[in-house]
This record gives sequence, C-alpha cells and structure tokens, in this order.
Amino acid sequence: TQLLEQSPQFLSIQEGENLTVYCNSSSVFSSLQWYRQEPGEGPVLLVTVVTGGEVKKLKRLTFQFGDARKDSSLHITAAQPGDTGLYLCAGGGYGGATNKLIFGTGTLLAVQP
Amino acid sequence: NAGVTQTPKFRVLKTGQSMTLLCAQDMNHEYMYWYRQDPGMGLRLIHYSVGEGTTAKGEVPDGYNVSRLKKQNFLLGLESAAPSQTSVYFCASSLTASGRAYEQYFGPGTRLTVT
Repeated sequence: TQLLEQSPQFLSIQEGENLTVYCNSSSVFSSLQWYRQEPGEGPVLLVTVVTGGEVKKLKRLTFQFGDARKDSSLHITAAQPGDTGLYLCAGGGYGGATNKLIFGTGTLLAVQP
Repeated sequence: NAGVTQTPKFRVLKTGQSMTLLCAQDMNHEYMYWYRQDPGMGLRLIHYSVGEGTTAKGEVPDGYNVSRLKKQNFLLGLESAAPSQTSVYFCASSLTASGRAYEQYFGPGTRLTVT
C-alpha cells in the first residue's frame, strides 16, 4: 500500500480542457511538493506548499494543500500539449523525518492537440 | 553547472552480475538520494545520504549498497543483480532540509534491465 495515492492514474484530454489531479494520504505531512517529469528525464519541482489550506498559482496551474495537511490537488486550466507528462506529488516531514520525501504513485497526463 | 549527472544511461545485466551506478552533483549539496521508478509506483527511496561519509536505508534497500566517500559523488551498487531490479534509477540531491521544505534536483536516470 502506497502512503500517497494519486488519482487518476492516467488522464487523456483535449487541448483547452480543465483537469484536476488528486494526491491523498491518511498521514499528515509538513510539506507537499508537486513535480513534473517528461519522458527520459528526471522530475522537476513545480511548487512546494507548507501550510494547511494554502493555495498557490503558477500561471495556469493551481495547487492546494488540504486543511489537515493530508491531501493536495493540482488543477490545470486550459491544458496545452506542453503540459503532457507524469505529475508526482511528494510529502515531506512524514514521521518527523525532515531529510526525505515520500512520493505519490503518479498521474500520467496526455494533452492532445 | 551540469547539475546532477548519472552514468551509465542504459545497462543490461545478466542475473547474478554486479554493477555500480555513479551519481555526481556540482551544486555542493549535502543530501543525496537514490530512487527507483517502476510503473504505477512513483519513486521509491532506496538509500540516501545526509553528508559525506554517511548513508541510511530508505524504503526498498534490500539488494543494494551505497557509498558516499566524496561529497559530490553517491554510488549505488548491485552485488548480485536480479530480474526484480529491472527499473529506472534516479539520483537526486538537495541543499539541506531547510525547515520543512526543500527541493530535490534529479539526474536524467539510468535504465537497467536484468535478464
């Protein structure tokens, strides 16, 4: 059983559509990060949220950390083909450990032109 | 700056063979990590290091060993490869665990197949 579950696992949409990816856990994290990974490359950090209820916007991407710091969501408005990739959430501070992250199961997004 | 580099990029091993994956970073980061990535399972931590000369076990350490003799390098060894170790391996580094949030920088990955 994975500590951080992401849904959906796969998502294929048309350019211009909106979408939301969820990252859920029964455990509390002190921070939550979202990474994007393109084929053949390593993940790259998009955002870090650290306060329960926090909302951060990065152009067309909106990230939210749940009030209880157990879950997070990523919303993309008017998706573009360049948004295609694997999206990974990662929780920090699990069990008081400040020096490592727990990664989610990943959501593979394909945006068709 | 090259960031985080990994060698080799691809490797095919037969069951029972050994190999070492090399990770190097030029950002003077204290923390380094080795992950494996398998379909539907995200990234799982194998081993990590919080400084030169230190190593610690992650989620899935069995069958792997690591060494951090120099601050900029982190080696991952497979002493006797098994088909279950077929995966994509990523190295990452971070400056420190500054408070509750820190960014990890990843290398491009090594695709390993064990037959």
